[in-house]
Amino acid sequence: AQTVTQSQPEMSVQEAETVTLSCTYDTSESDYYLFWYKQPPSRQMILVIRQEAYKQQNATENRFSVNFQKAAKSFSLKISDSQLGDAAMYFCAYRRTDSSYKLIFGSGTRLLVRP
Amino acid sequence: GAVVSQHPSRVICKSGTSVKIECRSLDFQATTMFWYRQFPKQSLMLMATSNEGSKATYEQGVEKDKFLINHASLTLSTLTVTSAHPEDSSFYICSAPSSMLYGYTFGSGTRLTVV
Repeated sequence: AQTVTQSQPEMSVQEAETVTLSCTYDTSESDYYLFWYKQPPSRQMILVIRQEAYKQQNATENRFSVNFQKAAKSFSLKISDSQLGDAAMYFCAYRRTDSSYKLIFGSGTRLLVRP
Repeated sequence: GAVVSQHPSRVICKSGTSVKIECRSLDFQATTMFWYRQFPKQSLMLMATSNEGSKATYEQGVEKDKFLINHASLTLSTLTVTSAHPEDSSFYICSAPSSMLYGYTFGSGTRLTVV
């Protein structure tokens, strides 16, 4: 069975600095999708970034980028120029490419941003 | 973009009563809807997967007689918590695959409190 592990329950970053959130996963599949979701205090889940496993190039969305290491089964999220609005829970998630569509979430990392 | 409207956002009910939570896909057809439960400061736990026109698939340990799921149309899925008890108090979130590339669209969640 696939699993997703986030080993950092909480991280703290100074505003305008850079922070990296870690995520590892376990799967026997060769193709799959990986996601980072943000859950602010409103609890609305917001997609931050996604990565297709067949793509070697790391995904980037403005201040958010990932370091995808397929062999190591690692998928970390880097947030540059951190802003107060980045404070939230961040969940790493995995999905197979087949029709099951089920998202498997990690336990989450709470990001605190210090002004 | 794709929107899933979830109602109610908050509900308080008495122990022993039933509560229905609705999730509607507003601008796309949701053939599949995932229902999650989230305890405070924890991750999302998949409870069940509903597919339009067929019986829901429940995750191991989820009581199908307590959490009734109906997916009567391509735009509406409902979760009914029957004979609710205080331990059913939680945050419930629905989610539908709206795009292969962009993951899923999540409802805004329902905070259920059973008194």
